[in-house]
Amino acid sequence: GDSVTQTEGLVTLTEGLPVMLNCTYQTIYSNPFLFWYVQHLNESPRLLLKSFTDNKRTEHQGFHATLHKSSSSFHLQKSSAQLSDSALYYCALSEGDSNYQLIWGSGTKLIIKP
Amino acid sequence: EAAVTQSPRNKVAVTGGKVTLSCNQTNNHNNMYWYRQDTGHGLRLIHYSYGAGSTEKGDIPDGYKASRPSQENFSLILELATPSQTSVYFCASGDLHSAETLYFGSGTRLTVL
Repeated sequence: GDSVTQTEGLVTLTEGLPVMLNCTYQTIYSNPFLFWYVQHLNESPRLLLKSFTDNKRTEHQGFHATLHKSSSSFHLQKSSAQLSDSALYYCALSEGDSNYQLIWGSGTKLIIKP
Repeated sequence: EAAVTQSPRNKVAVTGGKVTLSCNQTNNHNNMYWYRQDTGHGLRLIHYSYGAGSTEKGDIPDGYKASRPSQENFSLILELATPSQTSVYFCASGDLHSAETLYFGSGTRLTVL
């Protein structure tokens, strides 16, 4: 079945350094939708960005990601980490067909230190 | 902004007791979902619904029932609560036809003693 893999359970960075959170997926569908959700402490998850277009960069709130179907990847990046970026980040996949269910990765906890 | 409201925010229950978690959305979304979130497990889907009167089993439905009496309301029912059901529960709604952006409620922290 479909799956989403986030290899890092915890990423700790110093403020100002670049962020890259990995997300790879497996699906038999040719037109998946990929999402990044962010969850700050004691809050609920909210959509950060999403994409279904191959090789097109998607940006929101300083973060960006590019869906690469050739490598089944949708890594989340930011050029310079801020303390407020500390949160739990989920990558998720939708098959984009008649079954509009989300397949979730296990999440990456990002901690930004001063 | 889409609105999903959960109640209660916090709940303490006794083992064997019945617990009902409620969710209301004003977005007119067809799809609604119940997730639980535990450290080390991420978000796990318990039940979901495609519309009023429908409920479907998610990935971990055992020990839970769901009810969708209307477009707006979706409840999660624990008939016989157990300590293993201690968790944070999130309700979410989403539009079936728009790449499934989910809008989450604020969550319910359930403790079963």
